[in-house]
Amino acid sequence: QSALTQPASVSGSPGQSITISCTGTSSDVGSYNLVSWYQQHPGKAPKLMIYEGSKRPSGVSNRFSGSKSGNTASLTISGLQAEDEADYYCCSYAGSSTYVVFGGGTKLTVL
Amino acid sequence: QVQLQESGPGLVKPSQTLSLTCTVSGGSISSGDYYWSWIRQPPGKGLEWIGYIYYSGSTYYNPSLKSRVTISVDTSKNQFSLKLSSVTAADTAVYYCAGARDYSFDYWGQGTLVTVSS
Repeated sequence: QSALTQPASVSGSPGQSITISCTGTSSDVGSYNLVSWYQQHPGKAPKLMIYEGSKRPSGVSNRFSGSKSGNTASLTISGLQAEDEADYYCCSYAGSSTYVVFGGGTKLTVL
Repeated sequence: QVQLQESGPGLVKPSQTLSLTCTVSGGSISSGDYYWSWIRQPPGKGLEWIGYIYYSGSTYYNPSLKSRVTISVDTSKNQFSLKLSSVTAADTAVYYCAGARDYSFDYWGQGTLVTVSS
């Protein structure tokens, strides 16, 4: 059982927007602005898409955005494209005993 | 551009120790810019953080694995390593090395599958 809770799957049509939630606790997501999001295509290594809750690394499309409210972080993908179909994982700093926790992952299907 | 490459045996017997090495290129492990990390992913499952090491040798481990994990660094070879003892089938996974800043994993190796089986 993962420390952070994500929906198992989400889907959307090309051009639409979708949001993936990541629910933690006041010990992780709620206490730190250190949530990151990763995209993973089958057989590939994860790729950093969002860090520090809402920042995009160089080269990541501005169609990807991150936010947080309370103990829940969210990843929004706008203007869905076929290439966005992948698994997405959230991750958070969880304090100086646990350090890092991941969500269980969400499979995004582009219809 | 930092690149990472995992290496090590793909098959380990139960109760033995899993040993992997990550070679860093395109940057110095001693730069202090990153925490050098191991993350694993069992087949068909999610990601699990194993631990980090800083170039100074400071280590930080997942509490659930701490009793079995050792991460070390060799700055002269620009490498860091993972040892996981007393392995069982539950330790079968793709093992990734990664470079992390501020608890986000910027750079990843391609991953290496380690199977625990007799």
